[in-house]
Amino acid sequence: GAVVSQHPSWVICKSGTSVKIECRSLDFQATTMFWYRQFPKQSLMLMATSNEGSKATYEQGVEKDKFLINHASLTLSTLTVTSAHPEDSSFYICSASPRGLGNQPQHFGDGTRLSIL
Amino acid sequence: GESVGLHLPTLSVQEGDNSIINCAYSNSASDYFIWYKQESGKGPQFIIDIRSNMDKRQGQRVTVLLNKTVKHLSLQIAATQPGDSAVYFCAEAVAGQNFVFGPGTRLSVLP
Repeated sequence: GAVVSQHPSWVICKSGTSVKIECRSLDFQATTMFWYRQFPKQSLMLMATSNEGSKATYEQGVEKDKFLINHASLTLSTLTVTSAHPEDSSFYICSASPRGLGNQPQHFGDGTRLSIL
Repeated sequence: GESVGLHLPTLSVQEGDNSIINCAYSNSASDYFIWYKQESGKGPQFIIDIRSNMDKRQGQRVTVLLNKTVKHLSLQIAATQPGDSAVYFCAEAVAGQNFVFGPGTRLSVLP
């Protein structure tokens, strides 16, 4: 089955630090990957759609200069939380769908828990 | 737009009983639906999907029912087991567009 790997799984760092999260599709190519944020006991909030070879599409209210997305290849997208502050602490999850016609399931990574002190 | 839940509804089921988790979706144009299971500290895991040209689809111990008239989706889990305890999300999509996730339901399986 389609596997998405996310790294790191947990980060604790000081306020002001920039943190990079990687999302890899291990056994398929993904022209599009998605980045979500999830607060405790809540659903997934789409932050941005990462497009291979072009700029990411950000959802309303998501600061593109704060959450930098790079999709350099068909199997890797990165999310960098720049100058992170305690309010950025959250669970960040990426997903990807294999290339193909029509809708296909999104396959999720296991998430990254980001704790900013 | 995205669906943001405030407080997760909880369904408690006795081990061995059948579970039914419901989801009301918002977009009548949605034509593809997925159920995901999310265990604590992990990403959502695909369970089963259904397209709008079907009203029922069965998997291993799970069945998804789609009622387009009332925009309702349900997930039935047969012979619920302790390992089924998790948060379950429905997701809807219109062809070629992003998925929108429901608020989620926490399933607790009682011994």
